[in-house]
Amino acid sequence: AQSVTQLDSQVPVFEEAPVELRCNYSSSVSVYLFWYVQYPNQGLQLLLKYLSGSTLVKGINGFEAEFNKSQTSFHLRKPSVHISDTAEYFCAVSVLLRRFGAGTRLTVKP
Amino acid sequence: DVKVTQSSRYLVKRTGEKVFLECVQDMDHENMFWYRQDPGLGLRLIYFSYDVKMKEKGDIPEGYSVSREKKERFSLILESASTNQTSMYLCASSFFFGAIPGSGPEAFFGQGTRLTVV
Repeated sequence: AQSVTQLDSQVPVFEEAPVELRCNYSSSVSVYLFWYVQYPNQGLQLLLKYLSGSTLVKGINGFEAEFNKSQTSFHLRKPSVHISDTAEYFCAVSVLLRRFGAGTRLTVKP
Repeated sequence: DVKVTQSSRYLVKRTGEKVFLECVQDMDHENMFWYRQDPGLGLRLIYFSYDVKMKEKGDIPEGYSVSREKKERFSLILESASTNQTSMYLCASSFFFGAIPGSGPEAFFGQGTRLTVV
């Protein structure tokens, strides 16, 4: 069975600082990997996805993630965050069905 | 743009009531999903459907049922609402991909329905 672990439940950072949100997964077969963002009182919006090919994936809003098969990780990064990036971020793994991590609340402070 | 529309943003229901949550998508997706979202637990799959009248249980189906009479519409039913079903409910849809029912490369989400059972 597949599972997803988001290693940090909350990440506070200052504006313009870099950020990394960590995600590890477990699966015995090839996977699809996703990061979603959820703004307050809204549904989930896809940030980026890894299906195959290049292990460095670029998404919307300046985010990127790197698929590391040997470490079974898919960490999300942004070199300089804005106040508007404050939201909850979910990592998801899809083999047969999509499984989500518990979420990381990113708070960007001025 | 893909649009997934949930019929209500907020609902308040009484214990024991039968509750219907409706979801409609406009992209002709084969797969549709219902999740519930609770703090610290992320999203958990309740049920999914890969075709009209076809449904499969997810991880937490107890206390819920679903209906898919038309391709664009997927309903979640709480047969007898209880306070532990107070939650945010999210509907999603995706194209069918590969040979496995329910599989797909990407899911599109509705805005969510925050249900409170009192």
